[in-house]
Amino acid sequence: AIQMTQSPSSLSASVGDRVTITCRASQAIRNDLGWYQQKPGKAPKLLIYAASNLQSGVPSRFSGSGSGTDFTLTISSLQPEDFATYYCLHDYHYPRTFGQGTKVEIK
Amino acid sequence: QVQLVESGGGVVQPGRSLSASCAASGFTFRSYGMHWVRQAPGKGLEWVAVISYDGNTKFYADSVKGRFTISRDNSKNTLYLQMNSLRPEDTAVYYCARDRTPTEDGMDVWGQGTTVTVSS
Repeated sequence: AIQMTQSPSSLSASVGDRVTITCRASQAIRNDLGWYQQKPGKAPKLLIYAASNLQSGVPSRFSGSGSGTDFTLTISSLQPEDFATYYCLHDYHYPRTFGQGTKVEIK
Repeated sequence: QVQLVESGGGVVQPGRSLSASCAASGFTFRSYGMHWVRQAPGKGLEWVAVISYDGNTKFYADSVKGRFTISRDNSKNTLYLQMNSLRPEDTAVYYCARDRTPTEDGMDVWGQGTTVTVSS
């Protein structure tokens, strides 16, 4: 199975900061990667699909990039509602695997 | 509106069985692949299983292969997860989720989750 390694596992940031989260696949997965946001007690929410495409209704401060093995989720200006845990998930083949998550906390 | 609602969770002893359901509404259920994803308490997300739009193709995580069965009834707009030989490590919130498109590209609709607790 493909291993997805996210970094960092957690970070502290302030409102207005630019935040970058990375995800590395153990093998090349083209651009078959999505990013999800999860708040406590809630279901995950799709933010980015196919590495760089913004899901409908998601604010434009979220962006994704990368292909092959290295991917990045960027929040250009962190807002209070963005404090959450973020996961990458490859959909290159089965089994799918998530990254271990990145918790974004308030500094 | 587009909605997925899970049910069927509960407390069960190790080695026993449980079935979870996911009722879909607001979209053409028979056109979409569907997944189960779980999250153990305080842990990250784990993909569990997928079924194609017509029910003919299924894949499972190694951790549940041979014990769990995913199925669907397109006439009832319902997805199922039959869980047999349950273990304490299967304790989790189980979410159903929809493929964004027929070519997959992410899971864009999620249920609220149903909690399964495996304990003696």
